[in-house]
Amino acid sequence: DGGITQSPKYLFRKEGQNVTLSCEQNLNHDAMYWYRQDPGQGLRLIYYSQIVNDFQKGDIAEGYSVSREKKESFPLTVTSAQKNPTAFYLCASSPQLAGGYNEQFFGPGTRLTVL
Amino acid sequence: AQSVSQHNHHVILSEAASLELGCNYSYGGTVNLFWYVQYPGQHLQLLLKYFSGDPLVKGIKGFEAEFIKSKFSFNLRKPSVQWSDTAEYFCAVKANAGNMLTFGGGTRLMVKP
Repeated sequence: DGGITQSPKYLFRKEGQNVTLSCEQNLNHDAMYWYRQDPGQGLRLIYYSQIVNDFQKGDIAEGYSVSREKKESFPLTVTSAQKNPTAFYLCASSPQLAGGYNEQFFGPGTRLTVL
Repeated sequence: AQSVSQHNHHVILSEAASLELGCNYSYGGTVNLFWYVQYPGQHLQLLLKYFSGDPLVKGIKGFEAEFIKSKFSFNLRKPSVQWSDTAEYFCAVKANAGNMLTFGGGTRLMVKP
């Protein structure tokens, strides 16, 4: 059963703590993405990766970090430097990044709440 | 930088009513256009997409969208909505020369039975 999995579904964090959100895909997609979803603001791109060991900042990368050590995995760390981390985080993947008729496929999301 | 505007933030309709959700983008070049839907408790999923050719695009579940280049618009339509269409709808644009999707702010649709 192919798809994108994110864990955990809900995550609570105390202020000042770093937390890592998991994203795994078994679609053999090259590109992976992290978005943040806030009410009324749609999805905003945090980071993306087109290939293993390479990633680029998106529109709102400050306070976040990522790694891409394996093709199927793209974890996101929300650091204590992120000023307003409470949000719904979505991971996505696509067959290729540049050009082509590529659409993005999304995971179920992780809702992060900072207490 | 490209941007996407969805002017209707919340829409409430009765079943069988017709639906049109607006989407306008700002980018002067060639674009790829998408509508995604997020049903309550479910993944964001693709509703329809436009890459080239016929500007009237048919999607799943009876949805369609029309690309009007002169108006920089890609409005979503459905002739007769159902209660099961209650969801949040997102328009997204990718510049053909670029790599990234830019999303609109979303429209929450509630269909009353």
